[in-house]
Amino acid sequence: EADIYQTPRYLVIGTGKKITLECSQTMGHDKMYWYQQDPGMELHLIHYSYGVNSTEKGDLSSESTVSRIRTEHFPLTLESARPSHTSQYLCASSEWGLGIRYGYTFGSGTRLTVV
Amino acid sequence: SQQGEEDPQALSIQEGENATMNCSYKTSINNLQWYRQNSGRGLVHLILIRSNEREKHSGRLRVTLDTSKKSSSLLITASRAADTASYFCATDAETSGSRLTFGEGTQLTVNP
Repeated sequence: EADIYQTPRYLVIGTGKKITLECSQTMGHDKMYWYQQDPGMELHLIHYSYGVNSTEKGDLSSESTVSRIRTEHFPLTLESARPSHTSQYLCASSEWGLGIRYGYTFGSGTRLTVV
Repeated sequence: SQQGEEDPQALSIQEGENATMNCSYKTSINNLQWYRQNSGRGLVHLILIRSNEREKHSGRLRVTLDTSKKSSSLLITASRAADTASYFCATDAETSGSRLTFGEGTQLTVNP
């Protein structure tokens, strides 16, 4: 049973709006990640965090920003949404340790449409 | 370019048949993982195989890893309609700092 939650599940907004996608996990994982995925395509890492006050940009350049003030919370913000931001955003977490032992736990995703 | 590439892109089989998906990667890895994604949902971790392992089983799943060829395969035996999903391999490269890189996925359809 996944203990990582993303809200909202679906979001349709107008161009220029500021949005925040929420991601929370109850497993106490130090590592958290945001991936972007277009329908039927691969996942691209856009942000990650190894713990509180630690955030890094991923492999795919993104105009979004993230914060990690609490271990369990890793929100993603778009200051001014554009149609090119339309995509699915997936949040994940994993345990710290000697590499990854158990894999990532993913949330159900937020499907964002910017009109 | 993407670390993991999967083959085939799509696979359609009948219930009861076996399904085999392949994954190739480019750099040295700590481990390789397989995930499943139902349409429009998040991914679910299926199995992890370490670089010093050659084969691993979990229920109807069998994963092999050939580090000399930089490839892995996922076998689902006695498939069911409920196995219909996209399957992704993901690599934890030695230089990645434990960040996974995902392949393009294989869309599996199991027909009743």
